Amino acid sequence: QSALTQPASVSGSPGQAITVSCTGTSNDVGNYNLVSWYRQHPGKAPKLMIYEVNKRPSGVSNRFSGSKSGNTASLTISGLQAEDEADYYCCSFARGTSPYVFGTGTMVTVL
Amino acid sequence: QVQLQESGPGVVKASGTLSLTCAVSGDSISSTMWWSWVRQPPGKGLEWIGEIYHSGSTNYNPSLRSRVTISIDKSKNQFSLKVSSVTAADTAVYYCARGFAISAIDPWGQGTLVTVSS
Repeated sequence: QSALTQPASVSGSPGQAITVSCTGTSNDVGNYNLVSWYRQHPGKAPKLMIYEVNKRPSGVSNRFSGSKSGNTASLTISGLQAEDEADYYCCSFARGTSPYVFGTGTMVTVL
Repeated sequence: QVQLQESGPGVVKASGTLSLTCAVSGDSISSTMWWSWVRQPPGKGLEWIGEIYHSGSTNYNPSLRSRVTISIDKSKNQFSLKVSSVTAADTAVYYCARGFAISAIDPWGQGTLVTVSS
């Protein structure tokens, strides 16, 4: 069971929009709308930002949105703010093995 | 507000067994949720370890299944993790968390660092 593939880093200026990709296979991302995204600040626990591809939990800013096309899911952060600087992980249900497989993680930097 | 808190030894000797407990407050461990363990080696990404339902049903990461046991104690509203035959590769921050029927993991405990010593 391989981890989902994410870019190592993505950066943007304050106010800009950035997109983090998450590429899997037809055994996970491609066939299930069960992709979630987590934000992790240094030394802190991950926090759920998006679930079921594009749903936001209560309390999460509407600057965060999710989408999926084929085997690739994406997290878009609009109106980038300093507090958005963190590591972001995608996660998907994976058929046939364990219920969850995480992405490799992306460091988002606010320039 | 649901809160989870990990506890257990911060250092485990190589070849020994790592044991952690997660205390749950604000939700019943007998609710319709799954209870998970996730770990993160220093400077690396997240790895899902396994989960348990209040009935005792479990799911494990295939790469760890032979060494991992997750159990539940409904009387104490807590669940536990055991990893046997540990090596330096098991050194990580271990998180406990609540799972929503394979769609999400939320919330997470603060995490606890376990170091495997030689």
